[in-house]
Amino acid sequence: NAGVTQTPKFQVLKTGQSMTLQCAQDMNHEYMSWYRQDPGMGLRLIHYSVGAGITDQGEVPNGYNVSRSTTEDFPLRLLSAAPSQTSVYFCASSYMGRVTNTQYFGPGTRLTVL
Amino acid sequence: ILNVEQSPQSLHVQEGDSTNFTCSFPSSNFYALHWYRWETAKSPEALFVMTLNGDEKKKGRISATLNTKEGYSYLYIKGSQPEDSATYLCAQYSGGGADGLTFGKGTHLIIQP
Repeated sequence: NAGVTQTPKFQVLKTGQSMTLQCAQDMNHEYMSWYRQDPGMGLRLIHYSVGAGITDQGEVPNGYNVSRSTTEDFPLRLLSAAPSQTSVYFCASSYMGRVTNTQYFGPGTRLTVL
Repeated sequence: ILNVEQSPQSLHVQEGDSTNFTCSFPSSNFYALHWYRWETAKSPEALFVMTLNGDEKKKGRISATLNTKEGYSYLYIKGSQPEDSATYLCAQYSGGGADGLTFGKGTHLIIQP
């Protein structure tokens, strides 16, 4: 199993540009989520999904869109990039019953917005 | 939004010494506490998931305890080795309207040879 994969690993954008961060998992996990990690902050939840066709907002959803058309894929879209979105983004997945199921994290995407 | 606190923020420990650090969390409406180990340039990896008051989990030289009544968990490392150098994250299941885990800021552990 490849686990959780993310592309790209690095990206530089200009303010106002849009892009999609890709996330895929091959473990048939129902639950997928996106976090951002900033210096001095913990991992903060952006959006999550409990299954195909179902998404919901986390702690810091503004400026980001998600969709879940398949169990495997959970892309994160930046509609109009801002310097405040410079961060490292992690995708994670787990089985349902997530209270106790551990989350599997992807390798991260380091995004810089100029 | 839950408030998960970890202390200390960073810790330098001599190789061979034992160490411990703390995760504090709201004790009301407790569901589960997760510990993750995060090495530089890698992704976080799960260490433990704890749900019951008094739980104690162990993996090799690393162990953790849980007190849900007072809202804290300790992570212990016995006989620290250089490969233990990492950031250790704890996270509480949020529940409610925002699903997922609320993470603390982590304890950055550096083992000095």
